[in-house]
Amino acid sequence: GAVVSQHPSRVICKSGTSVKIECRSLDFQATTMFWYRQFPKQSLMLMATSNEGSKATYEQGVEKDKFLINHASLTLSTLTVTSAHPEDSSFYICSAQQGISGGYTFGSGTRLTVV
Amino acid sequence: AQSVSQHNHHVILSEAASLELGCNYSYGGTVNLFWYVQYPGQHLQLLLKYFSGDPLVKGIKGFEAEFIKSKFSFNLRKPSVQWSDTAEYFCAVNAGNSGNTPLVFGKGTRLSVIA
Repeated sequence: GAVVSQHPSRVICKSGTSVKIECRSLDFQATTMFWYRQFPKQSLMLMATSNEGSKATYEQGVEKDKFLINHASLTLSTLTVTSAHPEDSSFYICSAQQGISGGYTFGSGTRLTVV
Repeated sequence: AQSVSQHNHHVILSEAASLELGCNYSYGGTVNLFWYVQYPGQHLQLLLKYFSGDPLVKGIKGFEAEFIKSKFSFNLRKPSVQWSDTAEYFCAVNAGNSGNTPLVFGKGTRLSVIA
């Protein structure tokens, strides 16, 4: 079945630094990838939708200059958290969709801790 | 915009008990409906989905869900739970027939199955 690899699974960084999270579709081409954020004991909140070769669409309240999303190829999307602050500590999950009516496959998530 | 409500925050059941988790959505158009499970420390896995056709959908691991359009509901059921079903369960929805649209998740229901 479809597999999405998300890396790293855990990262600890200092305040003010940037962290890049990668999301790769291993055996299919993902025309669209979604980035979610999950707070403890809460649901997944959509941050942005990225389509290959175009600018990401951000949800209201998500700072596009802080959460940089690049979807340069059909198999790779990256989320860069710039100038990280402790309040950015969270669980970030990517999801890739294969085609217009394809299923959604989720990455295993990245737990970011900013100290 | 769509929204999803999961009424039960935490459900505790004994093994072999029957399970029903509620899910109601808010959206006036055609929808696709999903149930995902997240085992501790693991990524989201699809249990079942409804796009069209028979409103009673059977998924993996003995789970099923029934789409009742008049009630805007998509409740998840399992006749006899096992300890291994302990996990977080998320109901999700997206707009049907509209291409690459993100999933909107409910807040999740934590299921604890005790011996």
